[in-house]
Amino acid sequence: DAGVIQSPRHEVTEMGQEVTLRCKPISGHDYLFWYRQTMMRGLELLIYFNNNVPIDDSGMPEDRFSAKMPNASFSTLKIQPSEPRDSAVYFCASSPRRVHEQFFGPGTRLTVL
Amino acid sequence: AQSVAQPEDQVNVAEGNPLTVKCTYSVSGNPYLFWYVQYPNRGLQFLLKYITGDNLVKGSYGFEAEFNKSQTSFHLKKPSALVSDSALYFCAVRADTNAGKSTFGDGTTLTVKP
Repeated sequence: DAGVIQSPRHEVTEMGQEVTLRCKPISGHDYLFWYRQTMMRGLELLIYFNNNVPIDDSGMPEDRFSAKMPNASFSTLKIQPSEPRDSAVYFCASSPRRVHEQFFGPGTRLTVL
Repeated sequence: AQSVAQPEDQVNVAEGNPLTVKCTYSVSGNPYLFWYVQYPNRGLQFLLKYITGDNLVKGSYGFEAEFNKSQTSFHLKKPSALVSDSALYFCAVRADTNAGKSTFGDGTTLTVKP
C-alpha cells in the first residue's frame, strides 16, 4: 500500500487566493482526519470524518475553512480566502477502526504571502 | 474531556544511555494511549499503543512504554538510545467513549548525542 497520499506537497500562494489541499486515505480505512501543525500552536485537529461523514469540525478555525469527503478515497480541505496566518503544515491521516492508530500522510506545507 | 501533557519540551541523552520521554494524561473513561514519532519534514509515524492488557507495551525500533493507571502516565522508554532516535515525539490519548478523536501532546524533542 502506498500509504496516505497528499497533494500538493508544497503550496505557495498570495493572500486572498483559494487553496485546495487533497488527500487520499489508505484503502479500507473508515476514519479520516485533517490536522494543522505550526510552531506556535503545535498539532491541531481541524476536522474528522467517519465513513465519509463529518463527525467533528470544532477545530476548523473559521468559515474560511471547509472540508469535504465525497467518497471513501478522496478528501479536500479548502481555504478561501487564504491569509498569511494560515501558513502551516497540513496533515491528513486515516485510521481503520476507532481503536487503531492513525496513519499520517507526508503533509502539505502551505505558505501564504 | 481528554488531555495530554508532555512536561519536557526537550530531552537530551548520550548514545547508548537509556532514554525516557514523559507523558501524563487525563480522560473520562478508559484511556487508549499512543506514541508517535516525527522526523524532520515528515508526517507522524506510529510507534506503539496501549488499549488494554499488559501494562508494558513494546513497539517499533526497540521502544516500549508503561501504562500506569494510578499515576495516569504513559512514559516512553528505550534501554539504549541511538543517534537516529533523535526526533520529535508525540503522546496521544483517546477515551474509549470518544469515537475517533485523539488528543495529542505538544511534543518532546529528543536529541541523542554521539
